[in-house]
Amino acid sequence: SQTIHQWPATLVQPVGSPLSLECTVEGTSNPNLYWYRQAAGRGLQLLFYSVGIGQISSEVPQNLSASRPQDRQFILSSKKLLLSDSGFYLCAWSVDMDSSYGYTFGSGTRLTVV
Amino acid sequence: GDSVTQMEGPVTLSEEAFLTINCTYTATGYPSLFWYVQYPGEGLQLLLKATKADDKGSNKGFEATYRKETTSFHLEKGSVQVSDSAVYFCALGSNAGNMLTFGGGTRLMVKP
Repeated sequence: SQTIHQWPATLVQPVGSPLSLECTVEGTSNPNLYWYRQAAGRGLQLLFYSVGIGQISSEVPQNLSASRPQDRQFILSSKKLLLSDSGFYLCAWSVDMDSSYGYTFGSGTRLTVV
Repeated sequence: GDSVTQMEGPVTLSEEAFLTINCTYTATGYPSLFWYVQYPGEGLQLLLKATKADDKGSNKGFEATYRKETTSFHLEKGSVQVSDSAVYFCALGSNAGNMLTFGGGTRLMVKP
């Protein structure tokens, strides 16, 4: 069966520090991968998605970047965090070219920038 | 483009009350429709889905019927429990690709 792992679960970082959040998927190949952010009490904001190794699409210009160095690994990064980067970050995967399966989400990372 | 509109919350109910959370959509073609649930501090979990018109998705006592004529996918449960307190997201999957479009989420609070 397929599983998705996201870590760390919580993170407190000072303003100006770097960030690296990692997401890996097991049990499938060539998944589509997604990073979402959820501000407190708000909906989902799609940040990045990837349909293959090295292929990243950015939905919102911001202080963050994403990379996909391996087929089932998706990394969210920042060189210098801002207070506004605080939020709940969710990774998700889906089957390529078939939306009827929906997405499977990871358990999320709660990021607090202080 | 595709869009999903859900009723704004919070929705506050007493235990054993009937629940309806409205969801309407705009899309071309025949999208798949989903309800996701997010419990406090967790990621989203697929609650139920329907992939064609008149299909009914059901899970854990929740139901939703894909109504193409009214472009709706309302979530219902006959008797809510305190443990159903969560945020519920309606979503659609375009048959033109593999992106989901999410609604803004509806927070449900169930009081004992």
